[in-house]
Amino acid sequence: DVKVTQSSRYLVKRTGEKVFLECVQDMDHENMFWYRQDPGLGLRLIYFSYDVKMKEKGDIPEGYSVSREKKERFSLILESASTNQTSMYLCASSLPGFFTYNEQFFGPGTRLTVL
Amino acid sequence: SQQGEEDPQALSIQEGENATMNCSYKTSINNLQWYRQNSGRGLVHLILIRSNEREKHSGRLRVTLDTSKKSSSLLITASRAADTASYFCATDVSEGGSEKLVFGKGMKLTVNP
Repeated sequence: DVKVTQSSRYLVKRTGEKVFLECVQDMDHENMFWYRQDPGLGLRLIYFSYDVKMKEKGDIPEGYSVSREKKERFSLILESASTNQTSMYLCASSLPGFFTYNEQFFGPGTRLTVL
Repeated sequence: SQQGEEDPQALSIQEGENATMNCSYKTSINNLQWYRQNSGRGLVHLILIRSNEREKHSGRLRVTLDTSKKSSSLLITASRAADTASYFCATDVSEGGSEKLVFGKGMKLTVNP
């Protein structure tokens, strides 16, 4: 069964801390994505990657960076966490090619609270 | 960039009834997808319909696509309490030479036992 896992379900951090959110998929997918989900705003794409060491900015990359050193792992980094980054973070992966044609497989999400 | 928009935003029905959700979008698409999200969890893909398809079925799900009206509908027949979730439509959007999947804000379905 296909699986996308995220390192934490719940995370509480303090303003200014560096935060790492990890995502691992076991489907050998080339494409991986990070979204954040906020009430009334839906899902917004932060970054995506279509290959190891490749990354592309999404709609809201400010304040975030990503790392893709291995195919199965895609990390989201908050360099200096701020309260407005309190949100649900969702990782997804999909088959290669024109990714918009393919379904995305989502992890369970990490609910991050920045105090 | 908002592309798909679900309607209604919330729907409450009794178990056994059918539930219909609509999605309208603004620009032309290559495909449209529907996802479900149970409370506090990740999204699960339900069905994908391509722009050259008009209708698609998967179990109790029926999706239609009308590209002339830029709209899609998701019908869940004989609903169950377990269908209680948020439902999202997602469409592909071309921006700046790249394509991406853009999700609507979602609609909340409550199926009462």
